[in-house]
Amino acid sequence: GAVVSQHPSRVICKSGTSVKIECRSLDFQATTMFWYRQFPKQSLMLMATSNEGSKATYEQGVEKDKFLINHASLTLSTLTVTSAHPEDSSFYICSARDQDSYNSPLHFGNGTRLTVT
Amino acid sequence: GDSVTQMEGPVTLSEEAFLTINCTYTATGYPSLFWYVQYPGEGLQLLLKATKADDKGSNKGFEATYRKETTSFHLEKGSVQVSDSAVYFCALKVYNQGGKLIFGQGTELSVKP
Repeated sequence: GAVVSQHPSRVICKSGTSVKIECRSLDFQATTMFWYRQFPKQSLMLMATSNEGSKATYEQGVEKDKFLINHASLTLSTLTVTSAHPEDSSFYICSARDQDSYNSPLHFGNGTRLTVT
Repeated sequence: GDSVTQMEGPVTLSEEAFLTINCTYTATGYPSLFWYVQYPGEGLQLLLKATKADDKGSNKGFEATYRKETTSFHLEKGSVQVSDSAVYFCALKVYNQGGKLIFGQGTELSVKP
């Protein structure tokens, strides 16, 4: 079945540094990928829609200059948390859909636990 | 805007008990509806889905029926197991927005032996 690989699974960084999270679709091509953020014991909040070859579409209230998204190929999207602060500590999850099938379900990565100290 | 509301957790059941997790939605148009499951420390896995009214999605003993008249998609299982302990998310796919999903707040299920 379709697999989405997310890397790293865990990262600890110091306040003020930047962290890059990768999301890859391993056996399918994805024109569109989605980035979610999940707080402890809460739902997934959609941060942005990542579109291959164009700018990401951010949800209201998400700082685009802080959460940089690049979708350079049909199998890779990256989320960079710039100048991270402790309040950015969270669980980040990406998802992708096979571009050749609109009705195919979204496939999720296993998430990245970011801790900013 | 589109939204999903789930019953609050945590839900604690004994093994072999009957499970219902309520989910209702508001949406423009005719969304597809999904249940996802998240095991501790992992990402989400699709459990089941329904794409139109009166469709029933089913998988691993779980079922949910798309009820347009009550805008609901309640998750049920006749006999839960300890291995079903997880967080369950109801979601809808927003019409005509490239597959974007809106999630409910999640319901934590704990099954005791």
